[in-house]
Amino acid sequence: AQKVTQAQTEISVVEKEDVTLDCVYETRDTTYYLFWYKQPPSGELVFLIRRNSFDEQNEISGRYSWNFQKSTSSFNFTITASQVVDSAVYFCALSPTGVNTGFQKLVFGTGTRLLVSP
Amino acid sequence: DAGVIQSPRHEVTEMGQEVTLRCKPISGHNSLFWYRQTMMRGLELLIYFNNNVPIDDSGMPEDRFSAKMPNASFSTLKIQPSEPRDSAVYFCASSSRQGPQHFGDGTRLSIL
Repeated sequence: AQKVTQAQTEISVVEKEDVTLDCVYETRDTTYYLFWYKQPPSGELVFLIRRNSFDEQNEISGRYSWNFQKSTSSFNFTITASQVVDSAVYFCALSPTGVNTGFQKLVFGTGTRLLVSP
Repeated sequence: DAGVIQSPRHEVTEMGQEVTLRCKPISGHNSLFWYRQTMMRGLELLIYFNNNVPIDDSGMPEDRFSAKMPNASFSTLKIQPSEPRDSAVYFCASSSRQGPQHFGDGTRLSIL
């Protein structure tokens, strides 16, 4: 069975602070994908990143960075110099790679609500 | 490029009425997914299609729920008869063969 745990229900920071959102996963698959999605107050789900289990290199995109550690089954997300516009619920998700079917079934964590105040 | 398009954005109807939610996936995507989001259960997958064929509908809560994908550019999720506990945000998502899922803006459904 696959499971994604986001232990932090809500985090509050002041603008310009750095913040890390934790994600721990469980899977018996040897190959899998990990994802982060953002859900702003307007309600849509925005894709942020996908990582293959073969690739443990950290990734940076502007103020966003992701730390994938297979040894601890974690895929943490850091926002540097947070801004009010970063306020949203962030979801971590997991799927098998589905090599033969080309299909990916996502299992989501419960989300972490980030509140960035001015 | 157009993203996943869902309609309506909001739906308010009375218990017992039929509800039809619509989704147009991103052109060229061959997988389509219907999710439901509630405070109690979070995001849960209801059903998914690959090349217009339903693959797994084990997430569909009851026989009152049905989904179809008559062609590569259109899918519907129908609830008949609707009940207050069906109130939720319903998301449609699509993906290409090995790409990530991209979500529509969702339909906020309220059953009175």
